[in-house]
Amino acid sequence: EIVLTQSPATLSLSPGERATLSCRASQSVSSDLAWYQQRPGQAPRLLIYDASNRATGIPARFTGSGSGTDFTLTISSLEPEDFAVYYCQQRSSWPLTFGPGTKVDFK
Amino acid sequence: QVQLQESGPGLVKPSETLSLNCTVSGYSIRNGYYWGWIRQPPGKGLEWIGSMFQSGTTYYNPSLRSRVTMSVDTSKNQFSLRLSSVTAADTAVYYCARVGRGYTARDWFDPWGQGTLVTVSS
Repeated sequence: EIVLTQSPATLSLSPGERATLSCRASQSVSSDLAWYQQRPGQAPRLLIYDASNRATGIPARFTGSGSGTDFTLTISSLEPEDFAVYYCQQRSSWPLTFGPGTKVDFK
Repeated sequence: QVQLQESGPGLVKPSETLSLNCTVSGYSIRNGYYWGWIRQPPGKGLEWIGSMFQSGTTYYNPSLRSRVTMSVDTSKNQFSLRLSSVTAADTAVYYCARVGRGYTARDWFDPWGQGTLVTVSS
């Protein structure tokens, strides 16, 4: 099973600041990685797939990068609605696995 | 647009079977795509449970395989999850979702249902 590790666990920032979230895989997943956003009380929403492709309707301030074992989700300038938990997910091999999440909260 | 809605009992007794349905609107399951279940214990992360195709092909998380059954009812445009011999550790919000791009089960989940909380307690 591929284990995904996310860091930091919590990121405390202010609106307008840049957020950089990391996801590391226990073995190479090529570019088979996605990112999701989960706001309180809501279901996860797909942001990025194939490591760097924005899903439909996702603002350009969200950028995914990386390949192999190291991936980054960057939010260029935080909007109030971006304060949420972010999860990565790999599809490279069974079983499908998720990272433990990074919470972006208000400083 | 595609929408998914979970339904089922919110309370299940230990050792019994959890049963949930996911009703799809805006898309016919007969037309394809894989469909999946994911769960999230309160305050914790996400766990993939399993995915299935309308033909009946299924893929289950090995950690749950012995207790999970997924099925589909195309006449109701619905797919279902059964999890047997539940314990308190199975208490979670259960989400249904469509799987990725339609041609593979090993893909992303989009969109998701709103989720339903199932509590295992006597």
